[in-house]
Amino acid sequence: GENVEQHPSTLSVQEGDSAVIKCTYSDSASNYFPWYKQELGKRPQLIIDIRSNVGEKKDQRIAVTLNKTAKHFSLHITETQPEDSAVYFCAASREAAGNKLTFGGGTRVLVKP
Amino acid sequence: GAVVSQHPSRVICKSGTSVKIECRSLDFQATTMFWYRQFPKQSLMLMATSNEGSKATYEQGVEKDKFLINHASLTLSTLTVTSAHPEDSSFYICSASRGGFKNTEAFFGQGTRLTVV
Repeated sequence: GENVEQHPSTLSVQEGDSAVIKCTYSDSASNYFPWYKQELGKRPQLIIDIRSNVGEKKDQRIAVTLNKTAKHFSLHITETQPEDSAVYFCAASREAAGNKLTFGGGTRVLVKP
Repeated sequence: GAVVSQHPSRVICKSGTSVKIECRSLDFQATTMFWYRQFPKQSLMLMATSNEGSKATYEQGVEKDKFLINHASLTLSTLTVTSAHPEDSSFYICSASRGGFKNTEAFFGQGTRLTVV
C-alpha cells in the first residue's frame, strides 16, 4: 500500500518568512496530492491540491510542487502570518480508488509574530 | 464546497458500552465514505472504507467486529464502537467525496471526540 513520509514534524518561522514542508510517497500509481490544514480539535481543511499531470500549482501565498519521478511533493507558504499556525498534512491517493487518502505524519507550524 | 456533518461531536461513555457515530453528506450523495482515527498530535489513520449497500473494507489491524460500519444510504454512514475500552478513546473523523473525475476533494466531518471512562 501507499506510504507517505512528511518532514519536518515541527517548523517555527518568523512572521513574513517562508515555510516549506516536504513529502515523499511510495506508490507510483498515486495521482492526487492534497494538502490539509488542521487547527486544534477541528476538521482538516483542504488548502491546495495537485494532480500528477501538473508540476506546480499556486494559490496566492500557497504553492505546491510535484516531482513524479522522485515521488515527492512540497508545500510552500510565503509571507507567513500568525494565522498560518496550525498542523499541515500532506496526503496521496489514486483518484480511481475513490479518494482513499494516505496521510503524512503532519507538520506543526508555528509562526512567531 | 460540499458539507459533511458528523454527530455527535463529543461523547463520553462507560467502559463496555457501545457508541454510534453518524456521518452524513448533506448536499451530495456519496457511495463511498472513509473513517479515520486520530490520536493526539498524530496523523489521521484510515480505519475503513464504507461502501453503500455492501460490506466495509477494513484496513489491516482494524478489528471489524469492534468497529462496525453501516452505510445504509447514499448520504449516511455509521461507525459503532462496540464494547468500548479506554484505549478506544480518540478523535474519529469521516470523509466523503462527490465522486467522478476531478471531484476528488475529500470533505471531512467535524470529528467525534470519544472518551471512554
